[in-house]
Formats: sequence, C-alpha cells, structure tokens
Amino acid sequence: EPEVTQTPSHQVTQMGQEVILRCVPISNHLYFYWYRQILGQKVEFLVSFYNNEISEKSEIFDDQFSVERPDGSNFTLKIRSTKLEDSAMYFCASSQTDEKLFFGSGTQLSVL
Amino acid sequence: SQQGEEDPQALSIQEGENATMNCSYKTSINNLQWYRQNSGRGLVHLILIRSNEREKHSGRLRVTLDTSKKSSSLLITASRAADTASYFCATHNRDDKIIFGKGTRLHILP
Repeated sequence: EPEVTQTPSHQVTQMGQEVILRCVPISNHLYFYWYRQILGQKVEFLVSFYNNEISEKSEIFDDQFSVERPDGSNFTLKIRSTKLEDSAMYFCASSQTDEKLFFGSGTQLSVL
Repeated sequence: SQQGEEDPQALSIQEGENATMNCSYKTSINNLQWYRQNSGRGLVHLILIRSNEREKHSGRLRVTLDTSKKSSSLLITASRAADTASYFCATHNRDDKIIFGKGTRLHILP
C-alpha cells in the first residue's frame, strides 16, 4: 500500500541552525500538509499546500518556516533559525481530495 | 482558530467493553474525521462523517455527528487490546484547514 515517507526519523540540531525536513507524499496526491506534535500532545496544523502554493497556514508558521515542492515528488519544510520551542515531532501528510489525510511516521526534531 | 476538543482526555476500560469518546467544536464544518495514533507513530484515518450526515459505521466503529450541538462521538464496540491508542477528532473547516483536537488516550485493560 502506498505510504508517505519522511526523512530523517530523528534530527538533532543546535539552536539557531537551519533544518530541512523531507517528505515524499503518495504519488497521485494533490494536497500536502505539515503538522507538529509536542510530547504526544495535541497535533498542531502548520501549513497546507496545493497547486504549488500555500493554501493555508497557522500562526505558528511564521517567517522562520517555509515549504517547497522542489521536484514534483518531495515536499520539504525548512526552519531557518531553530528555537528550543521548535522541538517536536513533525508530521507530513498528503491527500488526494483534501479530506482523508495520510500521515508519515514523523521526524522527531530536537533543538539543543 | 477552531479546534475539536475531545472528551475524556484519558479512558481505561476492560477488554470487551465499549469505548465512547466525544468531540466538540466551535464553528461550521465541512466534515469531521477521527484518527488513531499509536505511541510515537503517525496518525491513521479511521472514519469521515460529512456535515449533512448524522451517523456512520465502519466495522466496530460508530460515529455520530450533531451539528446543532457541534459535537461528535466515536464508539468502539467490543474493545480489544490492540485498540489501545490515542484518538483524535479533526474538523475540516470552511477555510479548508483540517484542525485536530488534543486527543483521548484509550487504554484497554486485559
């Protein structure tokens, strides 16, 4: 069964460094999302992406964050200058019809 | 921003019993979905109910939606140890965001 793939599974970085989280959505999906979850708590919406542009974003998704779909298969989330509070599990999701979401297994980001 | 809020936060029941989780939300929705998350893993879609539907079934899952009360419930019948997980409701809002609640941690006791 097709699945969403995220790499790396764990990322450790120093505060102030840039990180890029990578995702390969399911191939025929058109809608792409990033969410994050801190310590197994609520799942927070960051951004949705459709037709090569951001369709919605949350207050969390400030100028430090950006997303790209550079080559038609990868979908990346960049955090320009990481803060301690960016430590979380980051989930990528994709959808064919902007309804049922398929999630990857997540990237655990630890900012030291 | 709108967010589903699940109730209870945690639930422990004996294997074989039914588990009921509730979700409340604040504004109009296109649909409401329930997802399951095993510890440390990604979320898995369980069931979707549209705003014009009142009840939906899928296997041992039964979902109801009351748009007048802005609430939904997820019933898992004949629970099994493998049902131990966190369950999240997600509202698909009119602004096209899919927003998750805080989740209910369900623990099935042997």
